[in-house]
Amino acid sequence: GAVVSQHPSRVICKSGTSVKIECRSLDFQATTMFWYRQFPKQSLMLMATSNEGSKATYEQGVEKDKFLINHASLTLSTLTVTSAHPEDSSFYICSARDTGRGGVGYTFGSGTRLTVV
Amino acid sequence: LAKTTQPISMDSYEGQEVNITCSHNNIATNDYITWYQQFPSQGPRFIIQGYKTKVTNEVASLFIPADRKSSTLSLPRVSLSDTAVYYCLVGFYSGGGADGLTFGKGTHLIIQP
Repeated sequence: GAVVSQHPSRVICKSGTSVKIECRSLDFQATTMFWYRQFPKQSLMLMATSNEGSKATYEQGVEKDKFLINHASLTLSTLTVTSAHPEDSSFYICSARDTGRGGVGYTFGSGTRLTVV
Repeated sequence: LAKTTQPISMDSYEGQEVNITCSHNNIATNDYITWYQQFPSQGPRFIIQGYKTKVTNEVASLFIPADRKSSTLSLPRVSLSDTAVYYCLVGFYSGGGADGLTFGKGTHLIIQP
């Protein structure tokens, strides 16, 4: 089945620094990838839709200058949290869609636990 | 996307059958019903998807009544490892679509020995 690899699985950074999270579709091409954020005891919240070769689409309330998304190839999307602050500490999850498999094609990465100190 | 309502939490015991019901009164004609499972500190995992009647795979069954305003995920003979959060999602997931998923609060299922 479709596999999505997300790296790193956890990262600790100092306040004010930037952190990059990678999301790769391993056995299929994904023109569209999605980034979610999940705070403790809460559900996943869609942050942005990453489109290969074009600008990402951000959900309302998500700062595009803070959460930089690059989707330079059909198998890789990156999320960079810039000038991170403690309130950015969260669980970030990417998802890629194997469009050849319809609704069942939404595959999620294993997530990245970001802690900003 | 149709809004969904699920119980916040459920408890059961090993070996029991667990049924989690999801209400989706505003489901549209083209909408499918999909269930995901999420363990702590992991991404969600697809369990099952259906449109109407009954769907069964190796891990679960999905029952959808004729009016499609609700659906029931059935987990046979659960084990401790089935303790997780289960999300019910409703939407039109065509092959060419490019929409992210909208997750509700989910149901926290706790299985006890």
